[in-house]
Amino acid sequence: NAGVTQTPKFQVLKTGQSMTLQCAQDMNHNSMYWYRQDPGMGLRLIYYSASEGTTDKGEVPNGYNVSRLNKREFSLRLESAAPSQTSVYFCASFDRALGNIQYFGAGTRLSVL
Amino acid sequence: QQQVKQSPQSLIVQKGGISIINCAYENTAFDYFPWYQQFPGKGPALLIAIRPDVSEKKEGRFTISFNKSAKQFSLHIMDSQPGDSATYFCAASWDSGTYKYIFGTGTRLKVLA
Repeated sequence: NAGVTQTPKFQVLKTGQSMTLQCAQDMNHNSMYWYRQDPGMGLRLIYYSASEGTTDKGEVPNGYNVSRLNKREFSLRLESAAPSQTSVYFCASFDRALGNIQYFGAGTRLSVL
Repeated sequence: QQQVKQSPQSLIVQKGGISIINCAYENTAFDYFPWYQQFPGKGPALLIAIRPDVSEKKEGRFTISFNKSAKQFSLHIMDSQPGDSATYFCAASWDSGTYKYIFGTGTRLKVLA
């Protein structure tokens, strides 16, 4: 049981490049979330998917897009990376029926030069 | 109104001492208050959580104290150990159907041996 798996673990991009961060969960959870973590700012919600087929903006959605590919997978795309998007990105999953706990992946450390 | 304010930003405690981290909120609709623990290079993991119908919850050396009237809650780590050195996040959520968490900014705890 792997829980929440994020790929890649590390990535370096040049300004203007694009990339997709992948997230998959094997807990059959309905809801999935993308956060970014920056020093002194905690975890800020970028986008979330309350259930398969739905996505909504969080606190800091600008510059990002998401796709809920199926119940297991939720990807985050940076279309044109900027230095301000240098951060650690975490994916989480949740299911109210299975307990009020968000489970997090190990994170993707992204640097945009 | 959606913010959760956390203090201190960093904390240094001697082994065997008590670590105390405080959080405050404004939104009275919040009905679930978890604490997450994050070790370097890892994703956050649930440590302990409380609902506002109780004033205290204890799990081993970790205790949450909750003051509903003051809209404050705190994490107490008794007999702090070097292995407790980590970043701690408080959070709050409400049953809106999306199960979003609002996280505090985090406290970096270092326990000296």
